[in-house]
Amino acid sequence: DAGITQSPRHKVTETGTPVTLRCHQTENHRYMYWYRQDPGHGLRLIHYSYGVKDTDKGEVSDGYSVSRSKTEDFLLTLESATSSQTSVYFCAIKPGPPYGYTFGSGTRLTVV
Amino acid sequence: AQTVTQSQPEMSVQEAETVTLSCTYDTSESDYYLFWYKQPPSRQMILVIRQEAYKQQNATENRFSVNFQKAAKSFSLKISDSQLGDAAMYFCAYSGGNTGNQFYFGTGTSLTVIP
Repeated sequence: DAGITQSPRHKVTETGTPVTLRCHQTENHRYMYWYRQDPGHGLRLIHYSYGVKDTDKGEVSDGYSVSRSKTEDFLLTLESATSSQTSVYFCAIKPGPPYGYTFGSGTRLTVV
Repeated sequence: AQTVTQSQPEMSVQEAETVTLSCTYDTSESDYYLFWYKQPPSRQMILVIRQEAYKQQNATENRFSVNFQKAAKSFSLKISDSQLGDAAMYFCAYSGGNTGNQFYFGTGTSLTVIP
């Protein structure tokens, strides 16, 4: 969907380096989410935001931090990338019930 | 936390036939929503169908329909007249009734469509 974009689409990085993934929305939604997708686990919530500078942890938040300085941008940072963080990362927005998430196109991150 | 279970890691169906994907969930909430998402090889997550828990009528979207059994906490997806383009990973998802509620996803079912 045109209302949400993620960058980069692919990234390879070395163990121990910091990495930042970006999510940008044009829908002005309050809630934004970061998920990771791994085989056998489905999608699991990393962090979410319910407004500018308002964020909270999900079930797999260790090793990740987020920031939201503007409504439209939600950044996910891996402070020091590890091989266990090799995954596909999705950003999502949600207009509220009964509507479902709108997802970004995902970022495939490989940590070598 | 709510849990969503998809017990079929892989399924296959002949083109033009019908297939049903299973999903069960666990919740103590009375107000919630259920969704099926499709993820083709392009990786894009596409909403297929949604069901509001307070509605008794099963949702339908063209060839896609659900069998929602609230008491049994079951939410299966039926795909009729399967097409090659239906081949994808399918995820069942649950969300509580409040605006900020996160989604909980199942582990997915990989559907193969055989020509």
